[in-house]
Parts: sequence; structure tokens; C-alpha cells
Amino acid sequence: GESVGLHLPTLSVQEGDNSIINCAYSNSASDYFIWYKQESGKGPQFIIDIRSNMDKRQGQRVTVLLNKTVKHLSLQIAATQPGDSAVYFCAETNNFNKFYFGSGTKLNVKP
Amino acid sequence: KAGVTQTPRYLIKTRGQQVTLSCSPISGHRSVSWYQQTPGQGLQFLFEYFSETQRNKGNFPGRFSGRQFSNSRSEMNVSTLELGDSALYLCASSLGDGGNTEAFFGQGTRLTVV
Repeated sequence: GESVGLHLPTLSVQEGDNSIINCAYSNSASDYFIWYKQESGKGPQFIIDIRSNMDKRQGQRVTVLLNKTVKHLSLQIAATQPGDSAVYFCAETNNFNKFYFGSGTKLNVKP
Repeated sequence: KAGVTQTPRYLIKTRGQQVTLSCSPISGHRSVSWYQQTPGQGLQFLFEYFSETQRNKGNFPGRFSGRQFSNSRSEMNVSTLELGDSALYLCASSLGDGGNTEAFFGQGTRLTVV
């Protein structure tokens, strides 16, 4: 895929299992965080976001957890499906039109 | 409604040449951001335009420039191309008004410099 790097961390899960993808962010002043999914040959696709005044937000099959104390963000995907296979990026900002992206995690779902 | 459209999808250029990439945002979106994606550096912010003005800028050399037109379409230009400029260039559009922050990405332009 377009976003895969030689040294991307990879998470392999069995179809139907839950997945947890982690991200450490760097700027304690960041107040908005997003998770993106990038499939091969496509641009990043918005999954879910969270503001710094929250510690948890749920979407459809996805949950984002934010721990500001340790500057850690996680994305939980319930009942992972083959279509979830992609590279996942977290992004942070304190300026809503300038995002800083993490290096990405490749999720590999085994049927 | 139509998504973000980037043209061309693929480009091959020679070192020293210049290149112009185009991005048409979602209708009604006034903010266009550009990112460079490489395996080594990941996704890096280049700049953001809003209402024809550059509002935010990343840490790229002056060889990288952009502009935005009155219809919100944006172009980015890279002059004096170097081998290291080979990358996937992505643009993202959003309303840009600070209220709704969701950004939508195009499929990107894959630039190869030889």
C-alpha cells in the first residue's frame, strides 16, 4: 500500500477478535486527536476523533481512549473483520488545520 | 457528493524539473491542506490554505509552494526536484471554520523523481 513503510509495526489478529492499536503523542498542548485508516492505494479515511476534555469516545465498532497523563491514545476495534486490514494513523493538533501524524500501525486480520 | 479529487494520480519527473499538483476539495469546503507521505518520514504537513491565503505552514524548504483559487481548488508546486521528493502527496479538505474539523483526504498523487 501507499503508506506502508519498511519498519511499520504490525498487529496481527484473528477475524472476530478485538484489536487495540496504540499511539503515543508528543505535544501536551494538543487538544484534538483523530484516528485515520489508510488502505492500499487510498488516502487516509477518518475513523473517529476525540477532544482533550474527554477520555473515551465510542463509534460503530470503534472506541478511542485518551490518557493525557501519559500522552497515550488507543483505538479499539471490536469484532475485527478482514476489511479492517489497513494502516492506522493517529493524528494530533492544537490548530485544527495543521495535524501531526504518528508513524502508523499495520493491522493484519487473519481469516 | 463528490470527494476530494487529486490530479494527476501518477507522475514521473527528472531531477531539477518542477511539478504542479492539483487538488479539488469537496464542494463547500474552504480549507485545503497538503501532506507528503514517505515510508521513512510518514505523513508530514506541508501547508494549509483557506480562502486563498496560506494559513499554516510546515517545515519544508521554499521549493515547496502552493496556492488556492477563489473556487477553493488548490495547487502545490515543487521546483528543482530532488530524488528525495519522491513521495505520495495528499491533500485534505475541510470546512476550515473551526467548528467541524473532519478532514477528507484525496487518493493522492504519486510523484517519482528519477
